[in-house]
Amino acid sequence: QSVLTQPPSVSGAPGQTVTISCTGTSSNIGAHFDVQWFQHLPGSAPKLIVSGDSDRPSGVPDRFSVSKSGTSVSLAIAGLQAEDEADYYCQSYDTTLSGFVFGAGTKVTVL
Amino acid sequence: EVQLVESGGGLQQPGRSLRLSCAASGFILEDFAMHWVRQVPGQGLEWVSGISWNNDDLGYADSVKGRFTVSRDNAKNSLYLEMNSLRVVDTAIYYCVRGSGPHRPAHPDYWGQGTLVTVSS
Repeated sequence: QSVLTQPPSVSGAPGQTVTISCTGTSSNIGAHFDVQWFQHLPGSAPKLIVSGDSDRPSGVPDRFSVSKSGTSVSLAIAGLQAEDEADYYCQSYDTTLSGFVFGAGTKVTVL
Repeated sequence: EVQLVESGGGLQQPGRSLRLSCAASGFILEDFAMHWVRQVPGQGLEWVSGISWNNDDLGYADSVKGRFTVSRDNAKNSLYLEMNSLRVVDTAIYYCVRGSGPHRPAHPDYWGQGTLVTVSS
């Protein structure tokens, strides 16, 4: 069972906006550790798309953005495109476990 | 270009050992913490172990504590994971992951392609 809670799947039509939530606890997100989001396509290496407060690595479009409220962080994907279809994982650091924690992953489907 | 290339995976029997290696290039290894993260096919990501830039701070998931040992050789640009007393539940793809800074809490940024470890009799 994953420490961070994500919905198993979200879907949307091309051009729409989808949102993925990531809920943690007082020992990770609530302890002010940054949350990162990774895009993962089967057979490839996970790719960092957003870190902390909407820091995007070079090449990641600004269609990806984050918002935070308490112990929850949400990733929004605006202007959904076919290439966005993938698994998305949130990640943070946990002081109790003294290591990284991940969500179980959310499968984004473009209808 | 940052590259992380894992090796050493394969089929091993329960109770036996395997040693994974990760060859790093495109950056100065001693400037960064490093980690191992695994994924059971079809399931989510699980952090396994991490090591600070200077070997002073090591961490392990409870599921592998006492069985796995992480180490690094900055001079050889390499990260290692010694896996002993392997269990069927250790079957997974193991990823070598770079931290974004020298200390373990620094978030992960670059990942390797992974190496598959299968534990079965």
